[in-house]
Amino acid sequence: EAQVTQNPRYLITVTGKKLTVTCSQNMNHEYMSWYRQDPGLGLRQIYYSMNVEVTDKGDVPEGYKVSRKEKRNFPLILESPSPNQTSLYFCASSYGGRETQYFGPGTRLLVL
Amino acid sequence: KQEVTQIPAALSVPEGENLVLNCSFTDSAIYNLQWFRQDPGKGLTSLLLIQSSQREQTSGRLNASLDKSSGRSTLYIAASQPGDSATYLCASYTGGFKTIFGAGTRLFVKA
Repeated sequence: EAQVTQNPRYLITVTGKKLTVTCSQNMNHEYMSWYRQDPGLGLRQIYYSMNVEVTDKGDVPEGYKVSRKEKRNFPLILESPSPNQTSLYFCASSYGGRETQYFGPGTRLLVL
Repeated sequence: KQEVTQIPAALSVPEGENLVLNCSFTDSAIYNLQWFRQDPGKGLTSLLLIQSSQREQTSGRLNASLDKSSGRSTLYIAASQPGDSATYLCASYTGGFKTIFGAGTRLFVKA
């Protein structure tokens, strides 16, 4: 089954404790992206990647890091999480950056 | 910078009504525009993708149109059903491969 998976689905952590949210797709997509969704603000793009070793900033990249060492994986790293990073995070992928995007189920993060 | 606006923010209609959801964007130089559906607590499901060279796309009871010159896209839902209740989001795909989303329209279809 074609899908985008994210882990963990739920995460509670404390300020400053580094964490990684994994994202994997099995559709051989070149484009992958991370978004955060906050009430009243909709989805905002954090980072995206056009291919292995090619990443670029979205609209809200501050406080986040990404890497794309393999085509199927695109982890999101919060090196020193803060409470304002409490949010619902989505990973997505597509063949190209302007084609239909397929979304993962989301990761709900709470930073205390 | 591209800005995407969806009006209204919420909409309640009786079952069977035809309805239109609106999506406006400021930069007409978009490549494609996509409509999504999101159920509470769930991820996004793609509904329709309209390429910049197209004016509309249809899937079942859904029809999406794109007018780049006026900076508007509409999603038409025919004969609405309670199962259509969800939040509908539009996203513009621009140069540089960024994706800009609207804040969404929350639709409630009353039985």
